Amino acid sequence: DTGVSQNPRHKITKRGQNVTFRCDPISEHNRLYWYRQTLGQGPEFLTYFQNEAQLEKSRLLSDRFSAERPKGSFSTLEIQRTEQGDSAMYLCASSLGGQIPEMTQYFGPGTRLLVL
Amino acid sequence: KQEVTQIPAALSVPEGENLVLNCSFTDSAIYNLQWFRQDPGKGLTSLLLIQSSQREQTSGRLNASLDKSSGRSTLYIAASQPGDSATYLCAVKTNAGKSTFGDGTTLTVKP
Repeated sequence: DTGVSQNPRHKITKRGQNVTFRCDPISEHNRLYWYRQTLGQGPEFLTYFQNEAQLEKSRLLSDRFSAERPKGSFSTLEIQRTEQGDSAMYLCASSLGGQIPEMTQYFGPGTRLLVL
Repeated sequence: KQEVTQIPAALSVPEGENLVLNCSFTDSAIYNLQWFRQDPGKGLTSLLLIQSSQREQTSGRLNASLDKSSGRSTLYIAASQPGDSATYLCAVKTNAGKSTFGDGTTLTVKP
């Protein structure tokens, strides 16, 4: 399968713990996006990378959240000192970009986080 | 700030019916608009992407239109099937990175 993959698929943690999620994009895609989705809502943009550069961060991405894409391939999203309000589905997407027209975003299956 | 609204929030139709899902957005300066399908507990599957210079895109039984001046897009589904039951989301890209999503329309097609 050459689509976007995310690990783990599910994570249960206790409040105050740190968690890290991984996203592996489609191999030739230079853009990678992170979104958060809660029940009944559409995904909310968190951040995006073009290659290894993080070009935009949402105000939703508090200082407890950090994302990296060190070699321009896979990306990690870390949440420190988790809170119950962080419980959500975390979605990763990738695309070809940097030229007009921008191509389709392809999404991974998501990581569902539950903070107890 | 871009805001995206999808109406109705839920729709139930009998199998075989043609239907239209609506998406409206407040800022007409967009790069593209994309329609997705999401099954319960799953990720998003891309259906159609319309560039800002385009008026419509078609794929099989699906047709999406875009009217930037009025801030509207529609997704037309012909001859609906029970397998079409899912949540349909539209996403508007207004800069190089960020996409703004609506909250979706949950479609149920009854056999």
